[in-house]
Amino acid sequence: KQEVTQIPAALSVPEGENLVLNCSFTDSAIYNLQWFRQDPGKGLTSLLLIQSSQREQTSGRLNASLDKSSGRSTLYIAASQPGDSATYLCAVYSDTGNQFYFGTGTSLTVIP
Amino acid sequence: EAQVTQNPRYLITVTGKKLTVTCSQNMNHEYMSWYRQDPGLGLRQIYYSMNVEVTDKGDVPEGYKVSRKEKRNFPLILESPSPNQTSLYFCASSLAGTAYGYTFGSGTRLTVV
Repeated sequence: KQEVTQIPAALSVPEGENLVLNCSFTDSAIYNLQWFRQDPGKGLTSLLLIQSSQREQTSGRLNASLDKSSGRSTLYIAASQPGDSATYLCAVYSDTGNQFYFGTGTSLTVIP
Repeated sequence: EAQVTQNPRYLITVTGKKLTVTCSQNMNHEYMSWYRQDPGLGLRQIYYSMNVEVTDKGDVPEGYKVSRKEKRNFPLILESPSPNQTSLYFCASSLAGTAYGYTFGSGTRLTVV
């Protein structure tokens, strides 16, 4: 069964810093990987979707990379802002189970 | 607006009292799924549906039922809720195929006392 790990579990940075969130998965046979943002008590907002054939995707200040062979993805956030404070979840779509498997997330706090 | 709508957003109920959480999407998505989110355990899939009248178990299906009579709706039914089903529930949908990501509903916070 696919297992997804996100490190660190929590991260606190001053406003303006660039930061990297990590995601690793045990089974490299994935179709795609999706990064989400979750605000407290709210639903999940999709940030980036990377297909297994792609190496990276960019949206504004966000850049996600994928190294399928090593089972790793990173989410890079440039020039962080207090509004970026949220929990970031990584999910991988595997053939087994017809579902996305989720990590437990990284809780990010950006301090003004 | 393209969205997945869940109702209710919050629900407190008593053990054993049947309840239904509704999920509806307006994007003509074939695939729909239910997840529960618990602290330290992340999101775990309960049931999913590949299309109308096609449903299958996820990783934690015990105590839940689903149906898919129409493409847009995928209700989650708890026939006899128990306190261990207290959780945050999410419905998600996507187009068929492995190239597409999920769109999530806003969540339903269920408390069973």
